[in-house]
Amino acid sequence: GAVVSQHPSWVICKSGTSVKIECRSLDFQATTMFWYRQFPKQSLMLMATSNEGSKATYEQGVEKDKFLINHASLTLSTLTVTSAHPEDSSFYICSARPSGGGRTDTQYFGPGTRLTVL
Amino acid sequence: KQEVTQIPAALSVPEGENLVLNCSFTDSAIYNLQWFRQDPGKGLTSLLLIQSSQREQTSGRLNASLDKSSGRSTLYIAASQPGDSATYLCAVSKGNQAGTALIFGKGTTLSVSS
Repeated sequence: GAVVSQHPSWVICKSGTSVKIECRSLDFQATTMFWYRQFPKQSLMLMATSNEGSKATYEQGVEKDKFLINHASLTLSTLTVTSAHPEDSSFYICSARPSGGGRTDTQYFGPGTRLTVL
Repeated sequence: KQEVTQIPAALSVPEGENLVLNCSFTDSAIYNLQWFRQDPGKGLTSLLLIQSSQREQTSGRLNASLDKSSGRSTLYIAASQPGDSATYLCAVSKGNQAGTALIFGKGTTLSVSS
């Protein structure tokens, strides 16, 4: 149980285009999902917190108009990279926190999406 | 601002050795601490989660300790195997309440030779 999927697993796009990445919790409901970004040889950096039915909360330095987050249901959050540029090339990973949390407050991570912008 | 540091950045050991990975964090007001494993180009596999009120957690050959007051955690791997080769990430909750995101260290890349 507690599986999180991401789609696509990798994507290559031209500079200036938009790319949508989906994060789904397959067997649980997630009121809160998180989006992280990982550059080569670097750690995961939190981009934003996505809450079902409300606006996402973005970390300092992350452009909300460039990285559009929609969390329309309890099992799906999407991240859209608008007008992508080569510097947006990165590994994007989402995590989902089961609704209700639980005693340990465990988060479950997706397998990541590799974005390459040409 | 919470900062997580992991030492060493890389480690190479022969098969069978016991080893310790270190993690330190600057703000002791955390809800929990987690250790993850990441294989190249892949997502994260959760290894151990320690609540702020706990001192250690064990799973198989892995043992993680937490000293919240000093801002330190260690991951002990016993009898290392080549299959243990991966990057190990330490992460702490962003605050001391449930439901927050994680702040990650840069990881320790482990290579176990046969």
